[in-house]
Amino acid sequence: DTAVSQTPKYLVTQMGNDKSIKCEQNLGHDTMYWYKQDSKKFLKIMFSYNNKELIINETVPNRFSPKSPDKAHLNLHINSLELGDSAVYFCASRGDRAQYFGPGTRLTVT
Amino acid sequence: AQSVTQLGSHVSVSEGALVLLRCNYSSSVPPYLFWYVQYPNQGLQLLLKYTSAATLVKGINGFEAEFKKSETSFHLTKPSAHMSDAAEYFCAVTSPNFGNEKLTFGTGTRLTIIP
Repeated sequence: DTAVSQTPKYLVTQMGNDKSIKCEQNLGHDTMYWYKQDSKKFLKIMFSYNNKELIINETVPNRFSPKSPDKAHLNLHINSLELGDSAVYFCASRGDRAQYFGPGTRLTVT
Repeated sequence: AQSVTQLGSHVSVSEGALVLLRCNYSSSVPPYLFWYVQYPNQGLQLLLKYTSAATLVKGINGFEAEFKKSETSFHLTKPSAHMSDAAEYFCAVTSPNFGNEKLTFGTGTRLTIIP
């Protein structure tokens, strides 16, 4: 009965590779987000989708491409991974005037 | 633009003592304010939220926060600390703007509980 789930939990890959992170919510919410948490624990929004439509794009490099096949899913594809992409990526969904976060995906680029 | 300042990146309290984590915000419009907790290697869990109703907000695990507009503050308190409260705490702000809401987070406060 997990509300917001992400896969995988850990992702280790080499520079230059392409990878995807998947997110699903079963809360019935219309709006979903991707946030990035850096090594100093600072959290910053990357994207927001409302009912499959891109709403917010916070000047993220175009190597990052979110895709929302339906309002319950928001995936993040990253091309040509760089060392600086190493971080924890959190998916969230919005409902009842608050955002609810997934468990995070720790991406390590070597 | 909105911002949040959390005073004290590290706070240590003794078990059973009062917990006080400070958060000040800046917003040109009436804000919504939140406290989230992050346990090691876990996601963010919503502790409590202020969304322009009662100024004293009660959350989970015995935490509460008071919205003070005159002080632009939203400090988090708990009367008696428990060992299980050790975690990272984040204050966040947004403004009610359906479809374009984004959380702006503070830099976090690591709470350590001393036995």
